[in-house]
Amino acid sequence: GPKVLQIPSHQIIDMGQMVTLNCDPVSNHLYFYWYKQILGQQMEFLVNFYNGKVMEKSKLFKDQFSVERPDGSYFTLKIQPTALEDSAVYFCASSPSWGLNQDTQYFGPGTRLLVL
Amino acid sequence: SQWGEENLQALSIQEGEDVTMNCSYKTYTTVVQWYRQKSGKGPALIILIRSNEREKRSGRLRATLDTSSQSSSLSITGTLATDTAVYFCATDEVSGSFNKLTFGAGTRLAVCP
Repeated sequence: GPKVLQIPSHQIIDMGQMVTLNCDPVSNHLYFYWYKQILGQQMEFLVNFYNGKVMEKSKLFKDQFSVERPDGSYFTLKIQPTALEDSAVYFCASSPSWGLNQDTQYFGPGTRLLVL
Repeated sequence: SQWGEENLQALSIQEGEDVTMNCSYKTYTTVVQWYRQKSGKGPALIILIRSNEREKRSGRLRATLDTSSQSSSLSITGTLATDTAVYFCATDEVSGSFNKLTFGAGTRLAVCP
């Protein structure tokens, strides 16, 4: 089936540093999402993105977070500066459309971020 | 939270047994999705049930939805060791023009061969 790729699979950084998480969505998809999952907890919505814009974000999407997809390349989540509580697995997802009968969101394998 | 169950639950069963996992939700939704997440992988949709359906089947999977009690269940018959995973239910909020999934805490299912 359609695959979403995420790079890197693991990242360890020092608190205060910047990190960029990369997502390679399914090629014909237009809608992109980031979710955050802290170990042992449920996955939580961060942000959705369409046509170069953030359309909706949750309270977890702090000011230190930003997303972009320049020129159809990777869909990225940047955290600057990082904090200890940012340690989690970040999942990217994409879907071709939206709505009540939307196509499925396809998830990547996640990037495991550890902030020391 | 959208979901009544806040803590990850764990089940351990023998291969061949049937299992049912339950979720309850707090706010209106038009669809409940069930995802399977295997170790080291992202979640994958396995079955989806809409608010106008009471039951949905797909192979060994059966999902039910009771909108009056705002609860859903996922049953797997004749489990296999490969069914070992965390199972999440999720509601799909269509907000304006966009969707976002709200996940429950999940059930960690271990199927022993």
